[in-house]
Amino acid sequence: LAKTTQPISMDSYEGQEVNITCSHNNIATNDYITWYQQFPSQGPRFIIQGYKTKVTNEVASLFIPADRKSSTLSLPRVSLSDTAVYYCPGGGNKLTFGTGTQLKVEL
Amino acid sequence: NAGVTQTPKFRILKIGQSMTLQCTQDMNHNYMYWYRQDPGMGLKLIYYSVGAGITDKGEVPNGYNVSRSTTEDFPLRLELAAPSQTSVYFCASSLSGMSGRSDGELFFGEGSRLTVL
Repeated sequence: LAKTTQPISMDSYEGQEVNITCSHNNIATNDYITWYQQFPSQGPRFIIQGYKTKVTNEVASLFIPADRKSSTLSLPRVSLSDTAVYYCPGGGNKLTFGTGTQLKVEL
Repeated sequence: NAGVTQTPKFRILKIGQSMTLQCTQDMNHNYMYWYRQDPGMGLKLIYYSVGAGITDKGEVPNGYNVSRSTTEDFPLRLELAAPSQTSVYFCASSLSGMSGRSDGELFFGEGSRLTVL
């Protein structure tokens, strides 16, 4: 299984930009990179996906370097409501999630 | 559309009992997944299916069985429940996988909280 590695936790303050990096050392050539957000007692929710370079939507930006061995999820101007666990699953069609990054946003 | 629907939402089982967690989706998705999430931990893949009649093991398949007789339904069977199976179970579906396709976004159900005593 192509597992990913990401920090266990991060802390931030409201209004700051948060960047969470994920390592995709064993990513397959055809695999897309996706990020999910999970709040307590809920299932994960899709945030963004990309294959290479930069992708931006109304919620976040995703940066993927040319070698695709890593990806960085960028959350602009976070608020308290962005406190959640963020996942960058790997494994292609056999999607494995790992432990995720617990982001805590404070006032 | 209801999306992904899981039943039951809560269940308490005694050790050795069996049960089936139901999962159905109305989005005509080919791929379906079952994950478990223990308290404070990430999601672990139990089984997945790429289409009706096709299933494959994930990271933690022991103690579980699945079937995929229709596109819509992907039930998870627990045989001889054990305390180690106390967890929250999430079912998810996607139109395609993440390999070579840009429409592999996963849609999750609300989860089924199972306690084995």
